[in-house]
Amino acid sequence: GEDVEQSLFLSVREGDSSVINCTYTDSSSTYLYWYKQEPGAGLQLLTYIFSNMDMKQDQRLTVLLNKKDKHLSLRIADTQTGDSAIYFCAESIGYSTLTFGKGTMLLVSP
Amino acid sequence: EAGVVQSPRYKIIEKKQPVAFWCNPISGHNTLYWYRQNLGQGPELLIRYENEEAVDDSQLPKDRFSAERLKGVDSTLKIQPAELGDSAVYLCASSAGDNSYEQYFGPGTRLTVT
Repeated sequence: GEDVEQSLFLSVREGDSSVINCTYTDSSSTYLYWYKQEPGAGLQLLTYIFSNMDMKQDQRLTVLLNKKDKHLSLRIADTQTGDSAIYFCAESIGYSTLTFGKGTMLLVSP
Repeated sequence: EAGVVQSPRYKIIEKKQPVAFWCNPISGHNTLYWYRQNLGQGPELLIRYENEEAVDDSQLPKDRFSAERLKGVDSTLKIQPAELGDSAVYLCASSAGDNSYEQYFGPGTRLTVT
């Protein structure tokens, strides 16, 4: 079955890099996603990576995928206080439903 | 361009009462999803529509939950009767047919059942 695991909490100082990790179990996953959720808001799609890619970079965000270990990470460079939120990892098979992890709360202190 | 619109944003009801949530997806998106997000958890799919057709409703508790998307645009999710365990955030998302790996979420409806 599908299962996505994330660490629950990460605390960093402003200006540092943040790395949020995720593991998944379904080797059939086609796409892997990172969403951001701020308090009282819906989920914002940050970035996604196709399973045949190893890395994707988008401005301050870098996604690394290790398909052999079924490990996904999101690196945020120069983390700002506005990056404080809950970050969800998700997987899908083809164009089907997303399966989410429980989310990682990122706290950025000044 | 407007994003996914949901209403109401908040709803408080007593148990055994009915409740309905409304969603208007991004214009042109033919795939619509309803998710439920319990406190401290990630969203879990309730139902997925392709145009008017519910193509995945396997996780929808059909004894009390129902949904419709009559004209393939906006959608309504209903709970009747509500139970205490239904307290959660109900999220609607949509995606376009040709890029349906990108799902865009609305702000959600926070339901509290007392």
